[in-house]
Amino acid sequence: EVQLVESGGGLVKPGGSLRLSCAASGFTFSNAWMSWVRQAPGKGLEWVGRIKSKTDGGTTDYAAPVKGRFTISRDDSKNTLYLQMNSLKTEDTAVYYCTTAHTGSIDAFDIWGQGTMVTVSS
Amino acid sequence: SYVLTQPPSVSVAPGKTARITCGGNNIGSKSVHWYQQKPGQAPVLVVYDDSDRPSGIPERFSGSNSGNTATLTISRVEAGDEADYYCQVWDSSSDHPVFGGGTKLTVL
Repeated sequence: EVQLVESGGGLVKPGGSLRLSCAASGFTFSNAWMSWVRQAPGKGLEWVGRIKSKTDGGTTDYAAPVKGRFTISRDDSKNTLYLQMNSLKTEDTAVYYCTTAHTGSIDAFDIWGQGTMVTVSS
Repeated sequence: SYVLTQPPSVSVAPGKTARITCGGNNIGSKSVHWYQQKPGQAPVLVVYDDSDRPSGIPERFSGSNSGNTATLTISRVEAGDEADYYCQVWDSSSDHPVFGGGTKLTVL
């Protein structure tokens, strides 16, 4: 079964740090371009960033609101994606999903994790 | 950056047809994807590349895209279709995906 499982969410103070993980199974993780998408309470979906497969360069790209504060990485030996979040702000409070385009279109996200909640509050 | 505009809400009676629009500048030149999200759940892809359906998605879900508007059509609407729906495209200028603001579908 194709599956993504996020973990690592929680409550953190403004200015603090948190690292999210996303464990993948059921597909060739090393070939996948992986993204993080977040959803603030009661709001819509917002793309956070992406990491390409190592064969495609392994490069990362980020949305403007998180650039310079968030870092995406991957460990293909562990089939795991990471999101390191530093200098957190209250506006980063959201459910964070890892996702990928597995079949069909190259940029349609057809596999999603269940999400992990991050709350930034003093 | 590229902006996608969706109506905040659409209401439809059971058994009728719901149409949810997604507006964007020359969106007809892009591939549009649609997601369904029910409360407390992760999004689910229901239409990709304007009009294709992933495996397991009912034929009642269809899509079209032309000019400045893409449309998700849900035929013979059921109570279980009540959800938020989001359109998404890839913005080639920023090399980022962009989501619409979402439309809440209410089944009367």
